[in-house]
Formats: sequence, structure tokens, C-alpha cells
Amino acid sequence: DIQMTQSPSSLSASVGDRVTITCRASQGISTYLHWYQQKPGKAPKLLIFEASTLQSGVPSRFSGSGSGTDFTLTISSLQPEDFATYYCQQTYTTPSMTFGQGTRLDIK
Amino acid sequence: QVHLQESGPGLVKPSETLSLTCGVSGSSVSSSFFWAWIRQPPGKGLEWIGTIYRSGTTYYNPSLKSRVTLSMDTSQNQFSLRLTSVTAADTAVYYCARDYCGGGRCSGTDYWGRGTLVTVSS
Repeated sequence: DIQMTQSPSSLSASVGDRVTITCRASQGISTYLHWYQQKPGKAPKLLIFEASTLQSGVPSRFSGSGSGTDFTLTISSLQPEDFATYYCQQTYTTPSMTFGQGTRLDIK
Repeated sequence: QVHLQESGPGLVKPSETLSLTCGVSGSSVSSSFFWAWIRQPPGKGLEWIGTIYRSGTTYYNPSLKSRVTLSMDTSQNQFSLRLTSVTAADTAVYYCARDYCGGGRCSGTDYWGRGTLVTVSS
């Protein structure tokens, strides 16, 4: 099984900050890595697929990079609506998938 | 516009079977997408349960495989989850979702239902 490890598990930041979240795969997954945002009581929302492609309608302040085992999600300038939990997901083993444990982003 | 909607009992007794259905509109379950069930225990992360494809081929999380069955009803454009011998550890919000990988490309799990909370309790 491919394990996905996110860091940090939580972080506090302020509006306007630049934030980076990391996701590491236990083995190489090429770019079959996707990022989701989840707000309380809501379903996850796809932000970025294939490591760096922005999903339609997602603001350009979100960006992703990486390949192989190490990936990052960056929010260039935090907005109030960005405070949420973020998950990475690998589909290298499609159609099976695994998720990271999540990173909770709170307001400082 | 693609829409997925989970339905089923919100309360299941221990040792019984959890059954949920996902109704799909705006997309056909007979198309080239994968149709997945994913769950989230209260306050915890996301866990993939299984996926079904239009041919009826199924793929299960090894940790749940012995208790899970997915099925599809193309005439109703829906797919279903059965989880047997449930315990309190199966209490979670259950999501159905659409996923796509094909031709070496994967576009992520792009549509999700709103989720339904299933509580296992006597």
C-alpha cells in the first residue's frame, strides 16, 4: 500500500500570508497526486489534479508542484475563505486511492 | 451539472448491514468514470472504501474487502454500498463520488455527494 504523509498536521496563519503544505508518498507516484479543500460539514472540493493542474473555477492563488514522492500545495496570499482542512490523494494505484491525514489551516 | 446524492438509513445496529445508494444525475454511471465510496469518521480523515466501474468491476480497500460489496444499477443511474457486520468503528460520514483516470491521465475525484452520516449504535 502507498502511504501518504502530510506536514504539518496543522498550522496557523494570517490573511495575506503565503502558506505551503507538503505531501510525501511512501513510493513514487509520478504526478498522480491531487489536492482537496474541505470545510466543516462539507464534502471535499478538488483544487488541483495531477500535482499542478488547477481545477476549473479554483482561484489562481492556489498552486501545486512536485513529482515522484514529494509534493507541495501553496496558497500565495491567504484569504478568509481559505481556512479549512486540506488533503492530498494519490491515484497512482487507480482505481484505488489513498489520502493524506489532512492539514488543518487555522486563523492566527 | 453533475449531482450525486447519498441515501439510506442514518442509524444501523452493531453486527447488522449498512446499505447506502448513490443517485447520479448529469453523468451516466455507464460512462468511463469510476464511481467511489469514501468515508470520514467524525473528526478524522478520509478513507477510500471501494470503487465500481461501468462493467461492474469492483475494487475494494483491502482493510474492508471482506465486508464490502459495491453494485451498480444502470437503469436507475445509481450505485450502492453494502457493509456487513458493522461496529462503532464504522460510524462515519459516507460520501459517494466520481473519479476519473484514463489514457495515463487522472483528473481527480471531481464530484462528491454531500455525504450522509451513518451511526452504528444499538
